[in-house]
Amino acid sequence: IAGITQAPTSQILAAGRRMTLRCTQDMRHNAMYWYRQDLGLGLRLIHYSNTAGTTGKGEVPDGYSVSRANTDDFPLTLASAVPSQTSVYFCASSDSASGVGTDTQYFGPGTRLTVL
Amino acid sequence: GQNIDQPTEMTATEGAIVQINCTYQTSGFNGLFWYQQHAGEAPTFLSYNVLDGLEEKGRFSSFLSRSKGYSYLLLKELQMKDSASYLCAVMDSNYQLIWGAGTKLIIKP
Repeated sequence: IAGITQAPTSQILAAGRRMTLRCTQDMRHNAMYWYRQDLGLGLRLIHYSNTAGTTGKGEVPDGYSVSRANTDDFPLTLASAVPSQTSVYFCASSDSASGVGTDTQYFGPGTRLTVL
Repeated sequence: GQNIDQPTEMTATEGAIVQINCTYQTSGFNGLFWYQQHAGEAPTFLSYNVLDGLEEKGRFSSFLSRSKGYSYLLLKELQMKDSASYLCAVMDSNYQLIWGAGTKLIIKP
């Protein structure tokens, strides 16, 4: 069982380019999340999805979009990358949707993105 | 606003005990989590507290006081592999996790 996988592991991207970060989980978890982690700051929620077909905005959604076509996949797209989006991006999943329970979030290995 | 405070860095000696504190002010409370994160890796779950008191799990224990907005993570019999960042996170009234910046724990021989 792989758990949560993310791709790519790292990427260097020119400003203005479009980029999709991939996230796949095989635990059949309902809820999935995208966070960014920057030095000196806590993890910040970008977007989330309580269940397939629904998405919601987190704390820092601007410049990012997501989709949840099925239970397993939750891609994050940067439509036109800017240097301030340089960060480490973590995808996570949990068995319960928001408002239903407080199950533990499990994290993927992360994608290190550099925008020049 | 919502706020989670924890020390930036702590140093301890192998074999000793260390306590990492976390204070919080959030919109609602649906539990407090502690995660461990080794450098360059993903956060991994350590503990969850929703009721006041101490939860013990092997060498690690976590304490919660909801009235004081306070938690601590206690690590006993420290090992070199415990060198990592420890993240405190609170689930708010919207069931979203609010994260502290993490405490980097350095273990010295």
